[in-house]
Amino acid sequence: GIQVEQSPPDLILQEGANSTLRCNFSDSVNNLQWFHQNPWGQLINLFYIPSGTKQNGRLSATTVATERYSLLYISSSQTTDSGVYFCAVGPNRDDKIIFGKGTRLHILP
Amino acid sequence: KAGVTQTPRYLIKTRGQQVTLSCSPISGHRSVSWYQQTPGQGLQFLFEYFSETQRNKGNFPGRFSGRQFSNSRSEMNVSTLELGDSALYLCASSLVLGTNHGYTFGSGTRLTVV
Repeated sequence: GIQVEQSPPDLILQEGANSTLRCNFSDSVNNLQWFHQNPWGQLINLFYIPSGTKQNGRLSATTVATERYSLLYISSSQTTDSGVYFCAVGPNRDDKIIFGKGTRLHILP
Repeated sequence: KAGVTQTPRYLIKTRGQQVTLSCSPISGHRSVSWYQQTPGQGLQFLFEYFSETQRNKGNFPGRFSGRQFSNSRSEMNVSTLELGDSALYLCASSLVLGTNHGYTFGSGTRLTVV
């Protein structure tokens, strides 16, 4: 099945810093989403972005479907940005959504 | 509009018992998916329901089952609980099956098996 790899696995930054999270996938996909899981376990949908670029405040995402990767940019990080960021692709030919292992982001005050 | 509602939020069960978790999707959403999240395996797909029919199933044993009602609410059941079933169980709803519109997740049910 399709493989989804996220990097880096962990990231520690000072408040105010910028960061780039990456998601690579092994096969063509019709759908790709970025989620933020807060410390209480809630998965918040950040972007639905099968291709192109989207921006929402300090966050933006770019998916280059032909090269099978997506990037999530966080600018001027705040402590509330801490948590785990997941990339999810699909449903694909096997009709399943596959999540990456996530990037754990810790923003220090 | 209300989001995806999962109940209960927390649950403690003993080995061998069974458990039923509930998920109410966003009004108008007809597809409900279930996921298991553990520190070791990450987020894994359990199953997806649409119009009261299971449309897709992950690689979990038969102890894990589910159903969907005519109002799109879904329940999942785990029988003969094992310690390894301790996890955060997340439900997601979407407008249609195999959606191009994205999924919205509930807050999850944290199950602890002792």
